[in-house]
Amino acid sequence: NAGVMQNPRHLVRRRGQEARLRCSPVKGHSHVYWYRQLPEEGLKFMVYLQKENIIDESGMPKERFSAEFPKEGPSILRIQQVVRGDSAAYFCASSPRFGGNTEAFFGQGTRLTVV
Amino acid sequence: DQQVKQNSPSLSVQEGRISILNCDYTNSMFDYFLWYKKYPAEGPTFLISISSIKDKNEDGRFTVFLNKSAKHLSLHIVPSQPGDSAVYFCAASSNFGNEKLTFGTGTRLTIIP
Repeated sequence: NAGVMQNPRHLVRRRGQEARLRCSPVKGHSHVYWYRQLPEEGLKFMVYLQKENIIDESGMPKERFSAEFPKEGPSILRIQQVVRGDSAAYFCASSPRFGGNTEAFFGQGTRLTVV
Repeated sequence: DQQVKQNSPSLSVQEGRISILNCDYTNSMFDYFLWYKKYPAEGPTFLISISSIKDKNEDGRFTVFLNKSAKHLSLHIVPSQPGDSAVYFCAASSNFGNEKLTFGTGTRLTIIP
């Protein structure tokens, strides 16, 4: 669990600003998942990436949201022109192989607050 | 459209007794199920999983039971310990766990000393 680093832990943005959330996976893990948890709800899948590829983005809102996992560096979840409804906890998980859910480690999350 | 449901938002159990957390699902394509534990301000931690080819999986104090016909699974913790107090999430996946996870809304378990 401690191996996945997410930063920042807390992020406050005004409506209309951009939010950039970073996720450094466990060393050697090449698969990254992003999940969002709204207040009083479970985690909802957003996107699944492998190095330089988006494998499944079926949970990503069609507008304003994008994700990348470059060959070098952390995975980035980018939210443009944030709105109040984007306020949530965003969790990243990494795994060493395709579909390795039982080997996936979650980060501590980034709590985004839009004011 | 909640495909994985945890109908009990909270549960309190005496230390030393058995904790039973329940989970129901609606999607027949789910064939792999996982339980996660989550402390406040931390990410979920994987606890135990079960494939649809089994009806029981045990790991120490944790046992997961799967009833495919009822589309129901449960997590048993025995004996319950104060450190077990956390939010427990049930999650499901298809393609034998190789697909994205669909989470329930969680059950907050409190162990009473």
